[in-house]
Amino acid sequence: GAVVSQHPSRVICKSGTSVKIECRSLDFQATTMFWYRQFPKQSLMLMATSNEGSKATYEQGVEKDKFLINHASLTLSTLTVTSAHPEDSSFYICSASRGGDTSTDTQYFGPGTRLTVL
Amino acid sequence: GQNIDQPTEMTATEGAIVQINCTYQTSGFNGLFWYQQHAGEAPTFLSYNVLDGLEEKGRFSSFLSRSKGYSYLLLKELQMKDSASYLCAVKAAGNKLTFGGGTRVLVKP
Repeated sequence: GAVVSQHPSRVICKSGTSVKIECRSLDFQATTMFWYRQFPKQSLMLMATSNEGSKATYEQGVEKDKFLINHASLTLSTLTVTSAHPEDSSFYICSASRGGDTSTDTQYFGPGTRLTVL
Repeated sequence: GQNIDQPTEMTATEGAIVQINCTYQTSGFNGLFWYQQHAGEAPTFLSYNVLDGLEEKGRFSSFLSRSKGYSYLLLKELQMKDSASYLCAVKAAGNKLTFGGGTRVLVKP
């Protein structure tokens, strides 16, 4: 159990366009979903935390108007990169957790989405 | 703030043992995770420590000392497929994970 999917796995877009990435928990209800970004040869950097039905909490330095996050159901969260630019090219990874006791709750990672902005 | 340090790269020979150290200074502590990540793929869970001591799982073991802010991941009987990045991550408040920079392990024949 605890499978998380992401769609698309790869996307190439033109500069100035918007791209939507979906993150789904397939066999469990995810109260909380996290979005990470990873640049080549670097570690994962948390962008934002989203709880179902409420506004996402963004990490310092992440523009909430550029990276729109929606967590409308317990199995789906979306990240929309608006007006994408080449510097937004990165590997975007989501994770999902059931919530509850934070000491035992585990994050399950999706397979990632490779975004290339031309 | 959060600070997690681990070596950037390590090289070892097939069949050998490698120990990857991780030191951390975080505000709040709800456990430490180790993940394996192959190039272009998402991290996969290896181990979780919340209490001091050693957790053994097959060829992989993980150790934690909360008083020292220190953990290590031990990989035994190295195989070529173990060549990957290994990420140390600390869970602080609110279930958030903070990742270290990752250690790239190269296994040579």
